[in-house]
Amino acid sequence: EADIYQTPRYLVIGTGKKITLECSQTMGHDKMYWYQQDPGMELHLIHYSYGVNSTEKGDLSSESTVSRIRTEHFPLTLESARPSHTSQYLCASSPLGASLNTGELFFGEGSRLTVL
Amino acid sequence: AQTVTQSQPEMSVQEAETVTLSCTYDTSENNYYLFWYKQPPSRQMILVIRQEAYKQQNATENRFSVNFQKAAKSFSLKISDSQLGDTAMYFCAFISLYNNNDMRFGAGTRLTVKP
Repeated sequence: EADIYQTPRYLVIGTGKKITLECSQTMGHDKMYWYQQDPGMELHLIHYSYGVNSTEKGDLSSESTVSRIRTEHFPLTLESARPSHTSQYLCASSPLGASLNTGELFFGEGSRLTVL
Repeated sequence: AQTVTQSQPEMSVQEAETVTLSCTYDTSENNYYLFWYKQPPSRQMILVIRQEAYKQQNATENRFSVNFQKAAKSFSLKISDSQLGDTAMYFCAFISLYNNNDMRFGAGTRLTVKP
């Protein structure tokens, strides 16, 4: 199994709370991603990063923010959670170098967020 | 923009039989990768098989094989000798060699293998 970890796996929280979803990988991958996954729908990219101090928004608009202070760590934060944020969030990583980049993504187990 | 379509939301197959999952995609590019990922219930998504668009030969990984039809933009997954552990969501995915920041996924097919 890939060495990429997400916490918490499940979170139920009230509207207006601040939450941070943690993602860590031990593979030394430069590129990291956050996807949003809803039942019966395709995964949508919400954030990605090329490396330390690099963050970019994906094609799906999201009120969340990310940071990349360390290579292995890519947390996602929602300042004020709302019921519309209820979803599963998947973190992924991949190597950057052309010789290493086969296109494959390595995924965490996901964080299922429910906002009441 | 690239899109990936999986037209079978759910499928089932008897143990030991063969099943084929369908996937079509739309792109104007010539160089890309295609993938099938498997997501077991409450577990992480893992790569099943990968196909480079420039290769004509269909990829094979043990019981898993693909039928890649580039002109038709079709990329189906065949699972032979289905096992109970194959029960999962299966996602078809596309990534361009020119914009490899954004892997595009289909909506998934939920496969149930019945004993």
